[in-house]
Amino acid sequence: GAVVSQHPSRVICKSGTSVKIECRSLDFQATTMFWYRQFPKQSLMLMATSNEGSKATYEQGVEKDKFLINHASLTLSTLTVTSAHPEDSSFYICSAPSQGGNTIYFGEGSWLTVV
Amino acid sequence: AQSVAQPEDQVNVAEGNPLTVKCTYSVSGNPYLFWYVQYPNRGLQFLLKYITGDNLVKGSYGFEAEFNKSQTSFHLKKPSALVSDSALYFCAVRDGPAAGNKLTFGGGTRVLVKP
Repeated sequence: GAVVSQHPSRVICKSGTSVKIECRSLDFQATTMFWYRQFPKQSLMLMATSNEGSKATYEQGVEKDKFLINHASLTLSTLTVTSAHPEDSSFYICSAPSQGGNTIYFGEGSWLTVV
Repeated sequence: AQSVAQPEDQVNVAEGNPLTVKCTYSVSGNPYLFWYVQYPNRGLQFLLKYITGDNLVKGSYGFEAEFNKSQTSFHLKKPSALVSDSALYFCAVRDGPAAGNKLTFGGGTRVLVKP
């Protein structure tokens, strides 16, 4: 079945640096992908909608200059956390709707730790 | 605006007993309803969905859910719970199939199945 892959699964970076997380749809094309953030023992918070060939749509309160999203192709979206701070440490999950849109598949998530 | 409520933070059940995880929703149009399961430090795994048709939906791992339009509910059920079913369960709603339509998640319900 359809699979969404995220890389890296875990990353540690120093404060002030930038880190990129990739989200790939492996056997289907996704014109839209979604990026979520999840704090421990909490629900998923939608950060932004990634649109292939156009700008991402950010949710209220999410800093677009800090969380850069690029949807370079029909199978790849990237989230770059710029000038990372310890409070950016979190679990980031991407998702993509199947072609036809009836099902939404999620990646395995990426743990970001900023030290 | 669409919303999802999972009234129980945690559900405890003995192995072999029936398991029910509650979910109610609010959406302006026709609801697309989903259940996902999350194991520790992992992404979300799709369990089942209701788009249209029979109100009783059967999904993965022996789970099923019943769509009740009058009560705006979509409770998840399993006739006989396993210890391995212990995980975090999320109900989600989407207002139609368009690729850009966002999923809104409930707060999650932690299920603990005791041997």
